[in-house]
Amino acid sequence: GIQVEQSPPDLILQEGANSTLRCNFSDSVNNLQWFHQNPWGQLINLFYIPSGTKQNGRLSATTVATERYSLLYISSSQTTDSGVYFCAANQAGTALIFGKGTTLSVSS
Amino acid sequence: DAGVIQSPRHEVTEMGQEVTLRCKPISGHNSLFWYRQTMMRGLELLIYFNNNVPIDDSGMPEDRFSAKMPNASFSTLKIQPSEPRDSAVYFCASRPGRLYEQYFGPGTRLTVT
Repeated sequence: GIQVEQSPPDLILQEGANSTLRCNFSDSVNNLQWFHQNPWGQLINLFYIPSGTKQNGRLSATTVATERYSLLYISSSQTTDSGVYFCAANQAGTALIFGKGTTLSVSS
Repeated sequence: DAGVIQSPRHEVTEMGQEVTLRCKPISGHNSLFWYRQTMMRGLELLIYFNNNVPIDDSGMPEDRFSAKMPNASFSTLKIQPSEPRDSAVYFCASRPGRLYEQYFGPGTRLTVT
């Protein structure tokens, strides 16, 4: 099956800073999603982005399927952005495979 | 929509006891997934159902684990007998088709003492 690798594993920011999280996947995929796991453990859907670019407020994501990577951009970070960000991908008819996540800590 | 519903949210049990976790997928979703999250192994797929039929159970750890989906609106994950190493957060997820977004429930935190 496909493998999903995320970087960096940990990120520490001051409030207001921008950041870029990266996700590499080992084979072509039909689906790629970004999730935020908040401090209460809930997995929140951020983006469904098998290709192209999407934006939602201060967050945006880009997937370059031909080069097998996706990027999540967080601008003007806030303390509420803290948590673990997961990238997950799958091929058609299979289940999402998760990366190990990037743990983000934003301090005020 | 209520989202994916899981129960119980927390379960504490003694080693050797039977544990049953429950999941109600989002109405209209025909694929259902069980995942387990631990610090050591991260988020790993246990089993995947499509139209109530198990498609991939290669992630089920051993015979102590079993999962059923008797109808489109209900699934169970059973551990019998439970062991301390089964302590984890168990997530259920669903999606409406093969090429669609997957949604997760709030999880069940299982502690086996």
